[in-house]
Amino acid sequence: AQSVTQLGSHVSVSEGALVLLRCNYSSSVPPYLFWYVQYPNQGLQLLLKYTSAATLVKGINGFEAEFKKSETSFHLTKPSAHMSDAAEYFCAVRTNAGNMLTFGGGTRLMVKP
Amino acid sequence: GAVVSQHPSRVICKSGTSVKIECRSLDFQATTMFWYRQFPKQSLMLMATSNEGSKATYEQGVEKDKFLINHASLTLSTLTVTSAHPEDSSFYICSASRETVQETQYFGPGTRLLVL
Repeated sequence: AQSVTQLGSHVSVSEGALVLLRCNYSSSVPPYLFWYVQYPNQGLQLLLKYTSAATLVKGINGFEAEFKKSETSFHLTKPSAHMSDAAEYFCAVRTNAGNMLTFGGGTRLMVKP
Repeated sequence: GAVVSQHPSRVICKSGTSVKIECRSLDFQATTMFWYRQFPKQSLMLMATSNEGSKATYEQGVEKDKFLINHASLTLSTLTVTSAHPEDSSFYICSASRETVQETQYFGPGTRLLVL
């Protein structure tokens, strides 16, 4: 079985500061990993995905994530936070064995002016 | 590309009535569609997976007779909440994966259901 853990249900940063949202996964087979963002009362928007190509993945809105197999991690980063980045972020894992996604509990990012 | 729409975006209904929610892939053919439920300040919970032309696969604990899913075409899936009760009030989100990029799910904007 696969699982996803997002450390920190709430993260607060100042505008312009580094954003780091943590995601650890467990999977018995090589995973596909995803980060989605959800704005209030909206669906999920794909930020980026890892599908066994380059371990450093660049996404939209200046976000990137690095797949570290030894640490079973896929942390999301952005060098400089904008107010518009305030949202809920979900990490998800999918294995080759199936088409289903398993989501982490989500991290609410707050950006202070 | 890969746009998914849902209709309606919000619905309020009386207890005991049925509500149908539509999920459409607008610019691609969706071989598989998924239905999720999300409670306030919580993560998404997968309810069921549906493939075009076949019966949906429901997750454990999800009532098949209460949450009817139909996936009649490659661009449309519907979720019908039958005999809705206040505890069915939630945010329902669908997603779809395209035939050529099956590992990625593209999400709709969600439907807010309130049962009075």
